[in-house]
Amino acid sequence: DADVTQTPRNRITKTGKRIMLECSQTKGHDRMYWYRQDPGLGLRLIYYSFDVKDINKGEISDGYSVSRQAQAKFSLSLESAIPNQTALYFCATTNKNNEQFFGPGTRLTVL
Amino acid sequence: RKEVEQDPGPFNVPEGATVAFNCTYSNSASQSFFWYRQDCRKEPKLLMSVYSSGNEDGRFTAQLNRASQYISLLIRDSKLSDSATYLCVAGMGNYGQNFVFGPGTRLSVLP
Repeated sequence: DADVTQTPRNRITKTGKRIMLECSQTKGHDRMYWYRQDPGLGLRLIYYSFDVKDINKGEISDGYSVSRQAQAKFSLSLESAIPNQTALYFCATTNKNNEQFFGPGTRLTVL
Repeated sequence: RKEVEQDPGPFNVPEGATVAFNCTYSNSASQSFFWYRQDCRKEPKLLMSVYSSGNEDGRFTAQLNRASQYISLLIRDSKLSDSATYLCVAGMGNYGQNFVFGPGTRLSVLP
């Protein structure tokens, strides 16, 4: 079984809709991250969390929110999706050596 | 200027060739460095951490030059399975709270 899972894997939605992307991990890591990837831009950090009571904004947090429901779960929400949020979204956990482990990604299309 | 820069490639090399990728980072406060491999439409996977003294893992050798803010990856005896995009990452903070990814260098190993 995968250590970091994401649901859904693919989603097509319309402008203005609320969307939630979910991430779960079985690695027991405290640190969790959400990134988006766009062609030619690399991965960009949206939010990160060091434990259940800790939430931090990343480089591009506008238009997004997160919830850390438990050590193993970190969800990302788009309150009102817009077309430029079309991207590949990755969740990641990080161990004590700062090595990151990524989920398989969610491909989101906003029409 | 991007915080982490890489030559986007593509690098097209024959099997058995040696290929080198370079990466520069702009933030001198960066403290941890990594190379990740990403296959098309898949999640990034850790290839290796990069240590100040340089490190080797089989056919892969990573080097760090802090004075020049430069990281390199050398792949010897390239295999078809090495075809992928290679991402350079610089981490900031003792606890790695901010990882900056380069846009990636695409490698195609040809038969």
